[in-house]
Amino acid sequence: KAGVTQTPRYLIKTRGQQVTLSCSPISGHRSVSWYQQTPGQGLQFLFEYFSETQRNKGNFPGRFSGRQFSNSRSEMNVSTLELGDSALYLCASSLAPSGGGETQYFGPGTRLLVL
Amino acid sequence: GENVEQHPSTLSVQEGDSAVIKCTYSDSASNYFPWYKQELGKRPQLIIDIRSNVGEKKDQRIAVTLNKTAKHFSLHITETQPEDSAVYFCAASIHGNNDMRFGAGTRLTVKP
Repeated sequence: KAGVTQTPRYLIKTRGQQVTLSCSPISGHRSVSWYQQTPGQGLQFLFEYFSETQRNKGNFPGRFSGRQFSNSRSEMNVSTLELGDSALYLCASSLAPSGGGETQYFGPGTRLLVL
Repeated sequence: GENVEQHPSTLSVQEGDSAVIKCTYSDSASNYFPWYKQELGKRPQLIIDIRSNVGEKKDQRIAVTLNKTAKHFSLHITETQPEDSAVYFCAASIHGNNDMRFGAGTRLTVKP
């Protein structure tokens, strides 16, 4: 099976712009979670989608949003970018929501740099 | 919500020695505890996991132990090798809560 894929892999934006990142889960996986990874903060949970519904959301401002499509592909959007949004954004897929003890498989990440 | 603390933040061992990384969690309802290894520039990869109905699980040189009473779990790597050098993350999730909380990571360096 193909693994989790994310596009784009690298992105450079300027403050105030918005960005959309995409994640394609492993075939058959219906749950997609998003994480922000920074050197000082580790892996921070953003949100999780299952069957096109956001099931949970971490402690991030409303500028961070996401959605999931009927084919389980997910996108996350960050509006009004700030310098502090520079990070590696990882998505992970699992068969069912992670709270059920399902193994999550990570994508390669999108490295976002905000100038 | 769940809070996961991980120690130490950095760990350096000599090749062949053992390495132990410990995590504590706050919510006694947590029932799934995976460990991920992330090599430089790569994605986190699951290396072992444990569910709350068992106390220990082994996979070759890697083992994880869980103490539900004390709410902590540990990763044990024996006979470490230079290729074990990476950042290791623990995580915990609660059934039905639909999110995974990660520890801050431990940078393990195995010196040849």
